[in-house]
Amino acid sequence: QVQLIQSGAEVRKPGASVKVSCKASGYSFINYGVAWVRQAPGQGLEWMGWISSYNGDTKYAKKMQGRLTITSNSSTTTTYMDLRSLRSDDTAFYYCARCHYDFGSGYFNAFDLWGQGTLVTVSS
Amino acid sequence: DIQMTQSPSSLSASVGDRVTITCRASQDVRNHLAWYQFNPGTVPKLLISSTSNLLSGVPSRFSGSGSGTTYTLTISSLQTEDVATYYCQQSLTVPLTFGGGTKVEIK
Repeated sequence: QVQLIQSGAEVRKPGASVKVSCKASGYSFINYGVAWVRQAPGQGLEWMGWISSYNGDTKYAKKMQGRLTITSNSSTTTTYMDLRSLRSDDTAFYYCARCHYDFGSGYFNAFDLWGQGTLVTVSS
Repeated sequence: DIQMTQSPSSLSASVGDRVTITCRASQDVRNHLAWYQFNPGTVPKLLISSTSNLLSGVPSRFSGSGSGTTYTLTISSLQTEDVATYYCQQSLTVPLTFGGGTKVEIK
């Protein structure tokens, strides 16, 4: 079955870190990248970054740079999102999504497969 | 960054009604425009890619159109299972950006 399965909900204190996993199955892992998107309560969707499952190339949203690291393990077909120095406004649902990037044209495709989401709560 | 503005932010329509959601970009996104359906408790779903390409398995009552800076998602005959929040997204340039969402309800 073609799917992305994310790790479970997390609670962290301000200043801590969180690492969310996204396990891919049912498709050729290295043929697609994985993007991370978050949605804070009552807010819209925010693209955080992307990683190529083929060569580990990454692209990050400027506001996330310095706090966010996305990594990928092709042997376990798992992608990780590591967010540091957490603040209360990082409380959100975090989604991984499959996304092909055309290195030739420089364009991303749409996100055609999503994980179920992981709630990260940051609270003292 | 490319700003995406969706309208309306919410709508209520009757079963069988034609529903149109508009997405306006702050600059030409050259048809690199997708539409997603979000429902609480379910996995988000890609409906349409590249402005008008309907994904396999998506009901034909959904359609997309547009060009330049203005794009639309149309539901030709609203069904109860279409109750959800819909988002547009541009994939022309990083950062990839989304519209604010349109919540669709049944009247």
